Amino acid sequence: GAGVSQSPSNKVTEKGKDVELRCDPISGHTALYWYRQSLGQGLEFLIYFQGNSAPDKSGLPSDRFSAERTGGSVSTLTIQRTQQEDSAVYLCASTLAGSSYNEQFFGPGTRLTVL
Amino acid sequence: DQQVKQNSPSLSVQEGRISILNCDYTNSMFDYFLWYKKYPAEGPTFLISISSIKDKNEDGRFTVFLNKSAKHLSLHIVPSQPGDSAVYFCAASDGNKLVFGAGTILRVKS
Repeated sequence: GAGVSQSPSNKVTEKGKDVELRCDPISGHTALYWYRQSLGQGLEFLIYFQGNSAPDKSGLPSDRFSAERTGGSVSTLTIQRTQQEDSAVYLCASTLAGSSYNEQFFGPGTRLTVL
Repeated sequence: DQQVKQNSPSLSVQEGRISILNCDYTNSMFDYFLWYKKYPAEGPTFLISISSIKDKNEDGRFTVFLNKSAKHLSLHIVPSQPGDSAVYFCAASDGNKLVFGAGTILRVKS
């Protein structure tokens, strides 16, 4: 596809369940970012992957959150034992180089609702 | 702590008039700033950016102004069009990541 895609577009889960969110970046983009946007808040950085380097996990809010990027392409964000405060829109972005000076191309997001 | 602040949650402007969206930041180490536009159910899209070595950058109807001493930037849209109605996010480059403000909802009335 031409742009960043994310799946599912919507996810409703019960508190305590695990969820996996998927991101397909633009082909050839070496850098991939995960952000989340809670209601009334700005986008909050979660994690950053660049090539084969160790990811920058400094934005992950707790050890219930983890992310992988397989083969330098697709990424999965996993939230274990979901809590109601995890409800947010989770956005993925990719870019050609590792610097955020380049515009980041965002996917449409996954809206997560934890009941 | 919010390092990037957009203090106006919403702004309503008449078509044809100027829209001015404001953004303040606290970290003087930020050296690059960007504006993103977001429609409902879509991801943000890049609009315009400015380096800290400049005080103005213009692209068509969009101009971004940077006042480093005040740690303030603004986005001017002129003339405003109904299709400009969206959420506008200000962001600052912090190493490998962007720090975003909470966004301002712009409504352009026809």
